[in-house]
Amino acid sequence: AQSVTQLGSHVSVSEGALVLLRCNYSSSVPPYLFWYVQYPNQGLQLLLKYTSAATLVKGINGFEAEFKKSETSFHLTKPSAHMSDAAEYFCAVQGAQKLVFGQGTRLTINP
Amino acid sequence: DTAVSQTPKYLVTQMGNDKSIKCEQNLGHDTMYWYKQDSKKFLKIMFSYNNKELIINETVPNRFSPKSPDKAHLNLHINSLELGDSAVYFCASSQESARGGAFYTQYFGPGTRLTVL
Repeated sequence: AQSVTQLGSHVSVSEGALVLLRCNYSSSVPPYLFWYVQYPNQGLQLLLKYTSAATLVKGINGFEAEFKKSETSFHLTKPSAHMSDAAEYFCAVQGAQKLVFGQGTRLTINP
Repeated sequence: DTAVSQTPKYLVTQMGNDKSIKCEQNLGHDTMYWYKQDSKKFLKIMFSYNNKELIINETVPNRFSPKSPDKAHLNLHINSLELGDSAVYFCASSQESARGGAFYTQYFGPGTRLTVL
């Protein structure tokens, strides 16, 4: 069965600093991987997805993620954090007929 | 022009009551889902339907009964509400379910925050 683990339930960075949110996956087949963002009191919005076409995936709002098979990782990065990036971020892997989500990482941006 | 919509956005009710949450998608998708997000933000699949047919029932108590009158709607009815049912419920849809390893993207609604008193 597929699963994902997000390392760090809470990440805090300064405005303008690098954002790095970690996600490791477990899958017996080549995975399809996703990052979703949830702003306060809102639904989930797709940031980006890995579908085996390219290992470096660019998403919305300046985010990108790199698929590393050797490390079973799909970490999310953004070069320069903005106050509007404060939200909950979820990594997910496509399972059988469903998405399996990680525990989520809350990103806080300090002015 | 909302893609996936849910009503109501907030629902406050007493223990023991019966309530429904409605979901509609205008994306022309074949598959719809219900997820539950608990107080720790953990998201877990409850049900999925493909063309009105139940595909997944993830060991959810039978007090929860999804109903899909057509492929654009998936409603969630909950009987005899309990305190532990308090959560945010998200509806989602995708073009198709994962058959033969095909990739698909799920689009989520804004959520319904259910509070059971």
